[in-house]
Amino acid sequence: SQQGEEDPQALSIQEGENATMNCSYKTSINNLQWYRQNSGRGLVHLILIRSNEREKHSGRLRVTLDTSKKSSSLLITASRAADTASYFCATDATGNTPLVFGKGTRLSVIA
Amino acid sequence: EADIYQTPRYLVIGTGKKITLECSQTMGHDKMYWYQQDPGMELHLIHYSYGVNSTEKGDLSSESTVSRIRTEHFPLTLESARPSHTSQYLCASSEWQQGGYTFGSGTRLTVV
Repeated sequence: SQQGEEDPQALSIQEGENATMNCSYKTSINNLQWYRQNSGRGLVHLILIRSNEREKHSGRLRVTLDTSKKSSSLLITASRAADTASYFCATDATGNTPLVFGKGTRLSVIA
Repeated sequence: EADIYQTPRYLVIGTGKKITLECSQTMGHDKMYWYQQDPGMELHLIHYSYGVNSTEKGDLSSESTVSRIRTEHFPLTLESARPSHTSQYLCASSEWQQGGYTFGSGTRLTVV
């Protein structure tokens, strides 16, 4: 059953610009995670934010979580061509349940 | 990039054949998962395991089986392959504490 819904479905930006992707979910969560997937490969874990956290940073990544709106955003600053990939949010309802993934946002960074 | 390995990387097989997709991890993770992903789409949970001799069904489990005899090994078996099984199959593992998943590179299956 789908939990996360990313928006937009696709995003194309110039190198150096910031990219923002949004994720909305339906039920309460223990934590929300973001993953990156390069074409035809497995997913790579980027960042995890717990339900009692509002913002988290990792390098050029910034994630926010608004549990009242059941939404999260992923900001990639100063994007590079190597950031071109699909980005997925995934939710863990209890802290001990398998992740439920959204459909992803396809990001293209043009050099 | 990851300590989780899936074989084969690509597989083309005829309808009705029995196939086993292999997944092994060297991290000692107790939790392992199988997801199915069509190109450009979301991941759907097929099966998961929280330890040896423990397996649970996900949303798409009805046409496949798994086993967990050793911590490091979590194979997925399709008893009778159909063209609708054509997809990418992703294996992942995680630790007991809340944390991210480590994914394998996937097996791209084509059933003709």
